[in-house]
Amino acid sequence: ETGVTQTPRHLVMGMTNKKSLKCEQHLGHNAMYWYKQSAKKPLELMFVYNFKEQTENNSVPSRFSPECPNSSHLFLHLHTLQPEDSALYLCASSQDRGGRRDTGELFFGEGSRLTVL
Amino acid sequence: KQEVTQIPAALSVPEGENLVLNCSFTDSAIYNLQWFRQDPGKGLTSLLLIQSSQREQTSGRLNASLDKSSGRSTLYIAASQPGDSATYLCAAGSSNTGKLIFGQGTTLQVKP
Repeated sequence: ETGVTQTPRHLVMGMTNKKSLKCEQHLGHNAMYWYKQSAKKPLELMFVYNFKEQTENNSVPSRFSPECPNSSHLFLHLHTLQPEDSALYLCASSQDRGGRRDTGELFFGEGSRLTVL
Repeated sequence: KQEVTQIPAALSVPEGENLVLNCSFTDSAIYNLQWFRQDPGKGLTSLLLIQSSQREQTSGRLNASLDKSSGRSTLYIAASQPGDSATYLCAAGSSNTGKLIFGQGTTLQVKP
């Protein structure tokens, strides 16, 4: 099994739909992250979970709702999105987030390409 | 506010050349710097991680250096191959915010 697995790889949704992105890591890590990658822009950190607790919400609109039921799984629930939310959403994990720092090496999934019509 | 810049945005070289990718950061208070590779439509693959106390890291044909005082890191690729074609991103861990700040990447094309 690959280290960090994301599903679905591609998702097309209307602005009134509700969908979810899923991330699973098989590395025994304790910290998990959601990043957004838009064209022509650097990666943007969205959320951080450390030992299942949310430790970072980078001013993300409430139409994005994360869920971390355990250290191996991370979800991003999507509802009433806008066309500008179309992007590649990347999940990552690291051993843990010592204090507030990403001290360890980050491992990324393949990403979920989201298109909002 | 930490900003990370990668120049050039794109680079095309013939196969076999040694090349250097540049990464600069505005705040020298970093706790690590990471280099990643991203193939089109894919996620990021970690290449090298340099802790703030280190000066360089090597893996195969790759060598990354870190100079905190000048706010620079370089990724040296020896004997480039077409398979090295990808986007290379650097990310600096900001000691002030605890966040990893990414550059926009350098897209490398190695021509056979």
